[in-house]
Amino acid sequence: SQQGEEDPQALSIQEGENATMNCSYKTSINNLQWYRQNSGRGLVHLILIRSNEREKHSGRLRVTLDTSKKSSSLLITASRAADTASYFCATWTGNQFYFGTGTSLTVIP
Amino acid sequence: EAQVTQNPRYLITVTGKKLTVTCSQNMNHEYMSWYRQDPGLGLRQIYYSMNVEVTDKGDVPEGYKVSRKEKRNFPLILESPSPNQTSLYFCASSLLGSFADTQYFGPGTRLTVL
Repeated sequence: SQQGEEDPQALSIQEGENATMNCSYKTSINNLQWYRQNSGRGLVHLILIRSNEREKHSGRLRVTLDTSKKSSSLLITASRAADTASYFCATWTGNQFYFGTGTSLTVIP
Repeated sequence: EAQVTQNPRYLITVTGKKLTVTCSQNMNHEYMSWYRQDPGLGLRQIYYSMNVEVTDKGDVPEGYKVSRKEKRNFPLILESPSPNQTSLYFCASSLLGSFADTQYFGPGTRLTVL
């Protein structure tokens, strides 16, 4: 399977702290995307980082990509209770998107 | 409003009773796909379609059928559902079906097969 894996599977932090989650993937990529899923709802795209980029920012999100290690990380700074959700990385290979298994983030008010 | 819609949102059925989950998008997207989501397994692609009348198997196609007769619609058909198809299903679409695309997801269909 070309599916990625997120680490940790679950993360619980206090509001205001930073949350970091990691993604590893198996094949070479053109880009890597991160998605967010509120409980039982559809996924929503957060950010895309291209294979020739090492770091990208969007608001409180910071994504890094290390193609030599086939890994990416998503950092959410100054977390809020509303950030509670599951986060997935996704890659495109051939004609398919492949999603990781997700990190469940709980932000405690 | 640009969106992907799915119906029904919740469905409880019995083994062997054929069912169809509809999916429609209003963004003129070429690429559409179906996923199932199970605890600990993430999202797994069932089928995808690059364009009208073009469909291909994803990673877990067994027990499912799809059709793409119109660009906007991509129904998922379970001819003879079984309990192992109990899952949360998502339809998604993207503009062209390429590495640069982002996917837009429907709200999900929670299916229980008894």
